[in-house]
Amino acid sequence: DVKVTQSSRYLVKRTGEKVFLECVQDMDHENMFWYRQDPGLGLRLIYFSYDVKMKEKGDIPEGYSVSREKKERFSLILESASTNQTSMYLCASKTGGGGYTFGSGTRLTVV
Amino acid sequence: SQQGEEDPQALSIQEGENATMNCSYKTSINNLQWYRQNSGRGLVHLILIRSNEREKHSGRLRVTLDTSKKSSSLLITASRAADTASYFCVGAGNNRKLIWGLGTSLAVNP
Repeated sequence: DVKVTQSSRYLVKRTGEKVFLECVQDMDHENMFWYRQDPGLGLRLIYFSYDVKMKEKGDIPEGYSVSREKKERFSLILESASTNQTSMYLCASKTGGGGYTFGSGTRLTVV
Repeated sequence: SQQGEEDPQALSIQEGENATMNCSYKTSINNLQWYRQNSGRGLVHLILIRSNEREKHSGRLRVTLDTSKKSSSLLITASRAADTASYFCVGAGNNRKLIWGLGTSLAVNP
C-alpha cells in the first residue's frame, strides 16, 4: 500500500525552538507539498517541491523553510517556533495529473 | 490558482439516506478531485473526474462535473455512520498551486 508518512502525530515544542517535520513517500512522486490546516481557514499551502533540491513558496511561507535532498523526503523547518504556528501540518505528494496522497498529519503545539 | 468551494458547509442526515455536496471553482481545470477527511487525520483521495467527463461512479460515490457552470457534485448513496467526515473538492489545472475550500462537514446519524 502506497504511503506518505509523517514522522510524528503529535508534537509539543517551546517558543523559539527549531522544529523539523519530516515527510517520506514511497511512490516515487516528483511533487511534494506542505500544508497547514486551521479552523475556519482551511488548507493553506506553505511550500512545495517539484523535484529534488527544488522548492517554491506557497501562500504562507513566512517563518518556514523546506529541504528536499532526496526525492522521497520533504522536510518542513520552523526556524524559530512561535505560538501562531500551532496548527495541523499535512504533507502530500502527487505525480502527473493524478490525485494527492496525504500523510496522517502532525498536530504541532507551540507553547 | 485553481479553487474549490464546497456547499453546504454542514450537512446532517440519517443513516441510509443520500448525501449531496456541491462544489464550485473559478478557473479552467484539467480535472476535479474530491477528498474525505476524518477528524484530526489527513485527507484521503476519493475520486478524480477529468474535464472531458460528465459523470463518474466509484462504489457508493457518484460525481458529476459541469464545466460550463464550473461546478461539481458528490453524491453518497445509502450513507453510513462511517461516512461522517469533512469532504473537500479541488480543481486542478496547469498550476501546481491549489486553493482548497473549507469543506462540507457531513454527519451521518445512526
